[in-house]
Amino acid sequence: KQEVTQIPAALSVPEGENLVLNCSFTDSAIYNLQWFRQDPGKGLTSLLLIQSSQREQTSGRLNASLDKSSGRSTLYIAASQPGDSATYHCAVSNSNYQLIWGAGTKLIIKP
Amino acid sequence: DADVTQTPRNRITKTGKRIMLECSQTKGHDRMYWYRQDPGLGLRLIYYSFDVKDINKGEISDGYSVSRQAQAKFSLSLESAIPNQTALYFCATSDWRGGTQETQYFGPGTRLLVL
Repeated sequence: KQEVTQIPAALSVPEGENLVLNCSFTDSAIYNLQWFRQDPGKGLTSLLLIQSSQREQTSGRLNASLDKSSGRSTLYIAASQPGDSATYHCAVSNSNYQLIWGAGTKLIIKP
Repeated sequence: DADVTQTPRNRITKTGKRIMLECSQTKGHDRMYWYRQDPGLGLRLIYYSFDVKDINKGEISDGYSVSRQAQAKFSLSLESAIPNQTALYFCATSDWRGGTQETQYFGPGTRLLVL
């Protein structure tokens, strides 16, 4: 059974710092891996999707990497801003419809 | 207007009551999902639907039922609510066209408290 773990559960850093969020999964037979952002009182928003054949994806200040063989992904946020404060979720897909989710990392960027 | 809407946004009910959570989407997607979110846990899939005639149980379907009234509408019912169904419920949609690039689009969530 696929399990997804995100460490740390919470992270607080000063504005301007670069940071890395971690995600690990137990079954390397995945279709893709996705990173989502959740703001309080709002739904989740997809940030980046990495297909199983890819190593990384970039969008603006965000870069997500995937190492299937070791069951790991990282989300790198450059030059963090207070607006980046949110909970970040990692989810892997083992099929064409079902996502298996980590518990999320709550990120606080201090001005 | 939001692409995926959920009503109500907040609901308080009592043990044993039947309640319905509704989801509507304007994205034209065939696939719709219901999840619940509990503190410290990842989202868990309750039910999913690939089209109006195709409804499937997810990981935690016991105590829940769903209805896909139209392509745009997917409702979740708690037949007899119990306190451990207190959670944040999300509806999501996706537009799978083959391959591995499908992502999901979420509504704002319904916060349910069962007393």
